[in-house]
Parts: sequence; C-alpha cells; structure tokens
Amino acid sequence: LAKTTQPISMDSYEGQEVNITCSHNNIATNDYITWYQQFPSQGPRFIIQGYKTKVTNEVASLFIPADRKSSTLSLPRVSLSDTAVYYCLVDSGAGSYQLTFGKGTKLSVIP
Amino acid sequence: DAGVTQSPTHLIKTRGQHVTLRCSPISGHKSVSWYQQVLGQGPQFIFQYYEKEERGRGNFPDRFSARQFPNYSSELNVNALLLGDSALYLCASSQYEQGWYEQYFGPGTRLTVT
Repeated sequence: LAKTTQPISMDSYEGQEVNITCSHNNIATNDYITWYQQFPSQGPRFIIQGYKTKVTNEVASLFIPADRKSSTLSLPRVSLSDTAVYYCLVDSGAGSYQLTFGKGTKLSVIP
Repeated sequence: DAGVTQSPTHLIKTRGQHVTLRCSPISGHKSVSWYQQVLGQGPQFIFQYYEKEERGRGNFPDRFSARQFPNYSSELNVNALLLGDSALYLCASSQYEQGWYEQYFGPGTRLTVT
C-alpha cells in the first residue's frame, strides 16, 4: 500500500478555490488515487477517483502529474458547507477488500 | 433510493458488555464493510463481507465479529467491551467485491463505553 501524506489542516475564505495536495511517492503502477470527504458525525463520501492527468466531475477536479507521485484535489469556489475532512487514498484494489484512510486534511471555510 | 442505514444511532454500554450494531446496504449492493473511527483519526477497516462470505479482516481482536444475512444486511458484534472501543462505527456498501471501488458509507453508530 502506498503511503500518503497530506496537510493536517487548511483554512480558506468562502468563494476561493482550494487545492489540497497529497504526496504518494511510492505509488505503484496499478494504483488509483481516490478522494473522500467526511462531514462531522457522518460517514465519508466518495468525491473523485483518477489514475493520471486530470479528472473532473460536478464536485471537484483531480490533477495528477505524469510521475504520479502526488495529486491535487481542487474544489472550486468553496462555501461554508465544504468544511470537512478530506482523505486521499491510494490503492490498486488488486486483492484488496478495504479502504485505507490516513488522518486526512481538515478544511475550514471562513465566511 | 435509500442510502446505507445503520442502527442504532447512538449507544452507551458498560465495560464488559456485548453490543450488536446493524447495517442495511443500498439495494442491489452485495458488499458490506465495517470501519471503526476514533476521534481525530481516519476510519480503520474491520471487516468486509461479499455475498455472505468474509472477504477481508482488519487488525482487530477476536472480540469483534460480523456476519452478513441473505438479504445482504449485516451485523457487527463486539464482546467484552473495553473503554477503547468507544468510537464511531461505520458501515459501507458497494456493488463491487473489491474494496477500492466506490463505497457508500452510512451515518454510523456512535458507541460510548463507560
């Protein structure tokens, strides 16, 4: 399993774009990168998943450079409701039956 | 469609007691996983069941057990409760057998052991 490193916390003002970077230097060829969001007292929610380059959905964008040793979750124009913990997960899924979460990044959006 | 549901929402138990937590997956999902989340940490994997068979087990003592029923709902049982078992217990369901595919989490059961 590739080890991931994320900032413990980040602050942002409402309306700004937020970028959360995750380092995964020992990512394997078959590994995918997945981000989950968790609000207080709720279960994590799948946000986005990617393998390389850029993936975009209605919630976020995921940027993955060519060497895949890091990835950046981009949240456009955040609002107070985006205050949550964001987890970066890296796994191939081959023979894997679990998600491995680190401590995540606590994002606080300030009015 | 209803999401993953868990019961009860909150539970207070005493050390040494036994607890049973319940989970109903999203309709059509055959995989159910259980996670423990203590305050300030990410969720930690306990078990995964797929088609009523245990497919994965995390690093938890034998006091923790689970099962999946023919309707794909699941129970997590914890015996001889310790103070350290106080946590949010999360259930997740998925269409897929392998854990890394998109999983849908329930709201969790908050267990307090006194």
